[in-house]
Amino acid sequence: ILNVEQSPQSLHVQEGDSTNFTCSFPSSNFYALHWYRWETAKSPEALFVMTLNGDEKKKGRISATLNTKEGYSYLYIKGSQPEDSATYLCAFTANAGKSTFGDGTTLTVKP
Amino acid sequence: GAGVSQSPRYKVAKRGQDVALRCDPISGHVSLFWYQQALGQGPEFLTYFQNEAQLDKSGLPSDRFFAERPEGSVSTLKIQRTQQEDSAVYLCASSPTRDSRNYGYTFGSGTRLTVV
Repeated sequence: ILNVEQSPQSLHVQEGDSTNFTCSFPSSNFYALHWYRWETAKSPEALFVMTLNGDEKKKGRISATLNTKEGYSYLYIKGSQPEDSATYLCAFTANAGKSTFGDGTTLTVKP
Repeated sequence: GAGVSQSPRYKVAKRGQDVALRCDPISGHVSLFWYQQALGQGPEFLTYFQNEAQLDKSGLPSDRFFAERPEGSVSTLKIQRTQQEDSAVYLCASSPTRDSRNYGYTFGSGTRLTVV
């Protein structure tokens, strides 16, 4: 059984705050790490696909880093906005098949 | 289609009833996945198809769960003799390739199953 841990479980920030959360995964047999954003009443939406140790990806105010040797990825949101409120899921893939998901970090941004 | 379509959106079943959940992936997507999501938890893997071949069904919780994708497009997840512990959101996802290093999954909106 693969263990994918996300922390914190939930986070409440004020509009304009920057924030970050963590995804921990097994450091062996790494293949890919995905980040998804899941807004209430919508489908999970892919944010980043990360494959190489040291990868940094950015999309607008959101960025992510990857350390495969120590088994963690960080997701950063700069200047949080209320529309960033969602659950952020990471998913670890050990081969070209299924992904194992963490339980997510639920972010609430207060105006 | 433009996205992954799942139906029904909501299903209430009496305990012991059989249910069938449908997933229409994006046209041409090779890989199709079913996940089960309990309240407050992340999606848990159920099964994976590559075209019509079911390559991994290790996550199906019991022999009451059965999935098929006979023509490599639409997939059906069937649950026989539903139990209360089957209550969850069932998510379907598809991907254009066999290789998850290039693409993330495209998810459907899910089917929320409630067994009463």
